[in-house]
Amino acid sequence: EVQLVESGGGLVQPGRSLRLSCAASGFFFDDYVMHWVRQPQGRGLEWVSSITWNSNVMDYADSVKGRFIISRDNAKNSLFLQMNSLRPEDTAFYFCAKDVDRSSPHYFDSWGQGTLVTVSS
Amino acid sequence: DIQLTQSPSSLSASIGDRVTITCRASQTVKKWLAWYQQKPGKAPKLLIYEASSLQYGVPSRFSGSGSGTEFTLTISSLQPEDFATYYCQQYSLYSRTFGQGTKVEIK
Repeated sequence: EVQLVESGGGLVQPGRSLRLSCAASGFFFDDYVMHWVRQPQGRGLEWVSSITWNSNVMDYADSVKGRFIISRDNAKNSLFLQMNSLRPEDTAFYFCAKDVDRSSPHYFDSWGQGTLVTVSS
Repeated sequence: DIQLTQSPSSLSASIGDRVTITCRASQTVKKWLAWYQQKPGKAPKLLIYEASSLQYGVPSRFSGSGSGTEFTLTISSLQPEDFATYYCQQYSLYSRTFGQGTKVEIK
């Protein structure tokens, strides 16, 4: 069974940094593109970032480009999101999601339960 | 970026009703569209991919159709567990965007 477990969320002041982690199990982690998707409470979904199986290609939403960095450690079956220069509008639940392909981002067939990031002074 | 517009934003329906949700893209996404169901406090769940392919384990009362810029998700006979918010998502090229969601409520 695929399991994705996010951690690292919390309350952070504007302008500070936070690093999210996602621990994966139940599938061959290094065979798939992985994503971060976020959702402000009570609102819709927004794709944030994706990374190919070999970390050759990383892609970002315009809203986070230049501030967030996605990475992965295939040896540890882990996905990360380094969030810098955080803004109040980054406040959301952050989901780790598994793609169906290894090289080209498609859609998300498995999701974690999410971790809440709150950016506030 | 490709924009997706869902309609309606919300609807009220009764058990057994046939429900149709529309997703329109600002430019063609060919068949590269997925549908998700999300219940309160839970992660989204994949229902449909490639516009009309049913994800394994999803009940057959769910179906998807369309191509290009117009797509529909149909629930043939609404069940109590189907009350949720539904999102479309396109995955054309290296762009991925979601529709704003359609909330299906009990009449």
